[in-house]
Amino acid sequence: GESVGLHLPTLSVQEGDNSIINCAYSNSASDYFIWYKQESGKGPQFIIDIRSNMDKRQGQRVTVLLNKTVKHLSLQIAATQPGDSAVYFCAENGGPNFGNEKLTFGTGTRLTIIP
Amino acid sequence: DAGVTQSPTHLIKTRGQQVTLRCSPKSGHDTVSWYQQALGQGPQFIFQYYEEEERQRGNFPDRFSGHQFPNYSSELNVNALLLGDSALYLCASSWTSGGASYNEQFFGPGTRLTVL
Repeated sequence: GESVGLHLPTLSVQEGDNSIINCAYSNSASDYFIWYKQESGKGPQFIIDIRSNMDKRQGQRVTVLLNKTVKHLSLQIAATQPGDSAVYFCAENGGPNFGNEKLTFGTGTRLTIIP
Repeated sequence: DAGVTQSPTHLIKTRGQQVTLRCSPKSGHDTVSWYQQALGQGPQFIFQYYEEEERQRGNFPDRFSGHQFPNYSSELNVNALLLGDSALYLCASSWTSGGASYNEQFFGPGTRLTVL
């Protein structure tokens, strides 16, 4: 069945360092992947997305890498700041041409930035 | 421009009761998705509404139903509440530009439902 999992439930990073959050997905038919950030008491916030026809996509201080061969997704955050402390979720859409219609989320990784 | 809004913020019900949660999408958005997020877990997709119809549905029983109004706002109804329905219910909106939408979903702050 569809499942999205994360390798590490918690991650602590020194402020200013780079962080990498990993995610494994099981549905090879997924063609759309998204990273969300959720702060305490708030709904998830979109960070960056990537389509399956790409291997890498960059945003402001963030980079998403997609390895379809091993069904692996990662989020790199450069020069981490205290405001980056949150729970990070990856999500997949479960099939080609589904768009954002039926997203499956992972269980999340809690990122803590150490001052 | 207001983002996605949800009401109420918190709700306490007892087993067997029924509940209705409401969502107003972000201005310009026509598609609403609902998710259930248990404590310490990722959101689980319940269903998505577009053009006032349920377009996709996750693995949730028929006790979970929804509706989308002509103004694109939406309701989530849960009947015969169980203790396990206690969770944060999230609404997300986006716009669909014909066919499948790969547009960003914006989430509301959620409604915290507690079933006693």
